[in-house]
Amino acid sequence: DIVMTQSPDSLAVSLGERATIDCKSSHSVFYSSNNKNYLAWFQQKPGQPPKLLFYWASTRESGVPDRFSGSGSGTDFTLTITNLQAEDVAIYYCHQYYTTPHTFGQGTKLEIK
Amino acid sequence: QVHLVESGGGVVQPGRSLRLSCAASGFMFSDYGMHWVRRAPGKGLEWVALIWYDGHNEYYADSVRGRFTISRDNSQNTLYLQINSLRAEDSATYYCATDGYGSGSYWPRFWGQGTVVTVSS
Repeated sequence: DIVMTQSPDSLAVSLGERATIDCKSSHSVFYSSNNKNYLAWFQQKPGQPPKLLFYWASTRESGVPDRFSGSGSGTDFTLTITNLQAEDVAIYYCHQYYTTPHTFGQGTKLEIK
Repeated sequence: QVHLVESGGGVVQPGRSLRLSCAASGFMFSDYGMHWVRRAPGKGLEWVALIWYDGHNEYYADSVRGRFTISRDNSQNTLYLQINSLRAEDSATYYCATDGYGSGSYWPRFWGQGTVVTVSS
């Protein structure tokens, strides 16, 4: 199985500042035949279901603010949130769908400093 | 507007069985693969299973293979998860989700609100 490891486990960032979350996969999730990385990012707020932020590592889901960006390729990926807002407090997960079983990272808890 | 409503959760004794349902509306259910994902209390998300649009392919997490069965009834727009031999570690909120790219085996896109399963004697 592909193991997804996120860092850090938690972070506190001031309002208006930048938050960066890293995700590393134990196997490349890049599929050369279509030049795509099989990596998604999700946001989960308390009491709510997860919400899709990005797929193909950097394709933003409709309605997601452009303060959010996804980057990376192969085994190393990053979710960046600029101009942090209070409503961004949540747990963020990376997710590989390159192969079954699909797997999630352990999650990164983002708080306001 | 995609709408997914899970049901069937509750308090169940260890070793018993349970069937979760996910009623889908607002999209062509028979065109999309479907996922089950769970989150145990205090833990992160765990992908559980997926089934292709036509029900001909199923995939499972290692932790549930052999005890869980995913299925679907496209005539009723409903997804199921049969859970047998329940264990304490199966206690979680179970979410169903549509596949993001169509037939199946891509990212979960639209999610239901979840149904809670508690395994306790």
